Parts: sequence; C-alpha cells; structure tokens
Amino acid sequence: DVKVTQSSRYLVKRTGEKVFLECVQDMDHENMFWYRQDPGLGLRLIYFSYDVKMKEKGDIPEGYSVSREKKERFSLILESASTNQTSMYLCASTRQGDQPQHFGDGTRLSIL
Amino acid sequence: SQQGEEDPQALSIQEGENATMNCSYKTSINNLQWYRQNSGRGLVHLILIRSNEREKHSGRLRVTLDTSKKSSSLLITASRAADTASYFCATEPGTASKLTFGTGTRLQVTL
Repeated sequence: DVKVTQSSRYLVKRTGEKVFLECVQDMDHENMFWYRQDPGLGLRLIYFSYDVKMKEKGDIPEGYSVSREKKERFSLILESASTNQTSMYLCASTRQGDQPQHFGDGTRLSIL
Repeated sequence: SQQGEEDPQALSIQEGENATMNCSYKTSINNLQWYRQNSGRGLVHLILIRSNEREKHSGRLRVTLDTSKKSSSLLITASRAADTASYFCATEPGTASKLTFGTGTRLQVTL
C-alpha cells in the first residue's frame, strides 16, 4: 500500500515565523501536491511538483513556497506565517495523470 | 478555483438506507474521482470514472457520469454507521493529474 506521511498531525506557530511542513511518500511517485482545506471551501491546491526540483503554482500559492530536492519528499514552506494561514494542510502523491491521488493524514496548523 | 459542486451539502439517513450525492462541474474533464474523508483525517480514494464511461461499481458504491450535463452521482447502498464521513468529487481536466475538488457532502448515518 502507498504510504504518504506528513511530519506532524498538529502544529502551533506564531505570526512571522518560518514554518516547514514535510511530506514523504514511499511509492516512487513522480507527482506530489500540497492542498489546504478550510470549512466551506473544500480543498484548494497550493503547489504541485512533477519531478525533482520542479514545481508549479496551484490556485493559491501566495505566501507559500515549496522544495523538492528528492523524489520522495515534498516540503511546504510558509515564509512568514500569518493568522490567515491557519488551516488543515494535506499532502498527496500519484504516479501519473489519470490515476488516484494518495493522501497523508494532514497537518492541522494554527498560527497565533 | 472550485470546479465541482456537491449537492446536498449535508445528508442524514438511517442505517440500511441508500445515500445519493451529486456533483456538478463546469469544464471538460478527463476523469472524475470520488474521495471520502473521515473527520480530521486525509482523503481516501473511492472510485475513478473516465470521461468515456457512464457508470462504475465498486462494492456498495455506484458512480454515474453524464458529460453532457457535466454531472456525476455517487450512490452508497445499504449504508452503515461506518459510512459517516465527508465525500468529495474531484475533476481532472487533462492528463496532468492536477485535480480540482468540490466542497463536499457531509454524510451522517445513524443507527
């Protein structure tokens, strides 16, 4: 079974901090994604990556950056955390298009 | 941008009843997928239906797709309390694997 592991289930940070969310998948998938999930808004795509060192902006990239130095790891970075970035963050991976995405359990991030 | 819109937003039924959720979308798609999310957890894939398919089954799940109406439905038959969760549709417009999710339907199955 594919396993997508997010480093933290719960995280509390302060405004202005630089925050790193880590995601690791163990199935050699090419594609990895970061979403945020907010009540009433569903899942919104922040960034995705089709290969190592490759990244593309999703629908809401402002205030975020990503890093993919190794195929199995995709990191989401909040450069200077703000309270409106309090949310549930979900990482997903898939081998290629036209296939299901596999999700981690999510990180519930609170910015105080 | 939100492409899929689920209807209803919330659904409460008794165990043993059938549950039907609908999804509408706006642009042409390569496939449509349904996912389930238990409270506070990640999403789990249920079914993928391609644009050239009209119906697909998996256990107690039945999914239909009408590309002319840009809509899909998910039917859960003989529901169980363990089916209580949120259900999301997601559309893939091309072959790039980038999905656009709807806002979800919250299903509550009571004993």
